[in-house]
Amino acid sequence: QSALTQPASVSGSPGQSITISCTGTSSDVGSYNLVSWYQQHPGKAPKLMIYEVSKRPSGVSNRFSGSKSGNTASLTISGLQAEDEADYYCCSYAGSSTHVVFGGGTKLTVL
Amino acid sequence: EVQLVESGGGLVQPGGSLRLSCAASGFTVSSNYMSWVRQAPGKGLEWVSVIYSGGSTYYADSVKGRFTISRDNSKNTLYLQMNSLRAEDTAVYYCARETNIAFDPWGQGTLVTVSS
Repeated sequence: QSALTQPASVSGSPGQSITISCTGTSSDVGSYNLVSWYQQHPGKAPKLMIYEVSKRPSGVSNRFSGSKSGNTASLTISGLQAEDEADYYCCSYAGSSTHVVFGGGTKLTVL
Repeated sequence: EVQLVESGGGLVQPGGSLRLSCAASGFTVSSNYMSWVRQAPGKGLEWVSVIYSGGSTYYADSVKGRFTISRDNSKNTLYLQMNSLRAEDTAVYYCARETNIAFDPWGQGTLVTVSS
């Protein structure tokens, strides 16, 4: 199973908004509303930011939002802050045998 | 507090074996889906294996036949038995609870290095 496709890097200035795309296929992103997003700071474990495409866990800032259209999911971060600088990974259910696939990750730089 | 703590990583020679442990607190391992996810140095996340609450297990093709996921309900602990290890298995291994195919929380990770 191939990984989901994410841009290698994105950047934005404090206060701006950015969007990270996550492109899969009709076998994963396109078939299930089970896309999640993770934030990972260097040397730390990933942290769940979005689940089921657009739901935010308790404690996650409402500056983070998720959406999906067809085979592509997106993570939008509004009002960029310095602490948002991190790697972001998308993940999608891909059926019972494959279970899940991750994206290759996107490095967010806050300029 | 819901928490996962991995242990058991280390340096192992190619072809060797290692067993990782993931001790849970604040929730019951056997009542949840539990997964192992790994991250090779400088690389992205790769799902490795899952055990469902009912006991069914699934593996990534890259580890099928070599790795075994299990749990000890009395110890509230998840395990990953890794056999026939290869250099490409070198990674930080995380355990995570799965809810609706979302991983949360994650453990701190344990590093496995396969090298001669």
